[in-house]
Amino acid sequence: ESVLTQSPGTLSLSPGERATLSCRASQIFSSAYLAWYQQKPGQAPRLLIYGASNRATGIPDRFSGSGSGTDFTLTISRLEPEDFAVYYCQQYGTSPGVSFGPGTTVEIK
Amino acid sequence: QVKLVESGGGLVKPGGSLRLSCAASGFSFSDHYMNWIRQAPGKGLEWVSYITGGGGTRAYGDSVKGRFNISRDNVKNSVTLDMNSLRVEDTAVYYCARDQGQGAFDMWGQGTMVTVSS
Repeated sequence: ESVLTQSPGTLSLSPGERATLSCRASQIFSSAYLAWYQQKPGQAPRLLIYGASNRATGIPDRFSGSGSGTDFTLTISRLEPEDFAVYYCQQYGTSPGVSFGPGTTVEIK
Repeated sequence: QVKLVESGGGLVKPGGSLRLSCAASGFSFSDHYMNWIRQAPGKGLEWVSYITGGGGTRAYGDSVKGRFNISRDNVKNSVTLDMNSLRVEDTAVYYCARDQGQGAFDMWGQGTMVTVSS
């Protein structure tokens, strides 16, 4: 079973700063099956990035994804007030099917 | 309008059963894998199950395998999760989500709360 770990657990930043979130898998898998989500309190998650680097429909270009193999990164170039949230990476295709990372909280410093 | 609406959540005793439903609208339902994902209070996301567009293949997370069953009705545009032998640790908000392809979930319902407690 492939396990995803995310770091840091919490990121304390100010609006306008750059956020770099890491996601590491315990097994190599295709970057085509790596996605990132944003979740705000009381809301369902929202797809940000799929295929490791493709922005989903309507996602601002300050969000970008990169990586391959076992190491992936979500970057928010300049944090807006609405970007403070929890971010999850997710992989598909490794046993048993789908797994999520534990999440990174981006909080206002 | 593209939409997913879950229903069926509620309070159930340990060992009991519950059926969740997800009604889809606004897209070609049978073209998409459908998933259930849950989130325990204050915790992260946990994938529960998926079913392929035609319903021929299903997969489950280890924590629910043998207890939960996913099915779909491509005429009624709905996906169902039958949950049996429920445990306290199954308490969570359950979301249904559409797979746009490549295992990325581009549409989510609002979630339905399941509480397992005596």
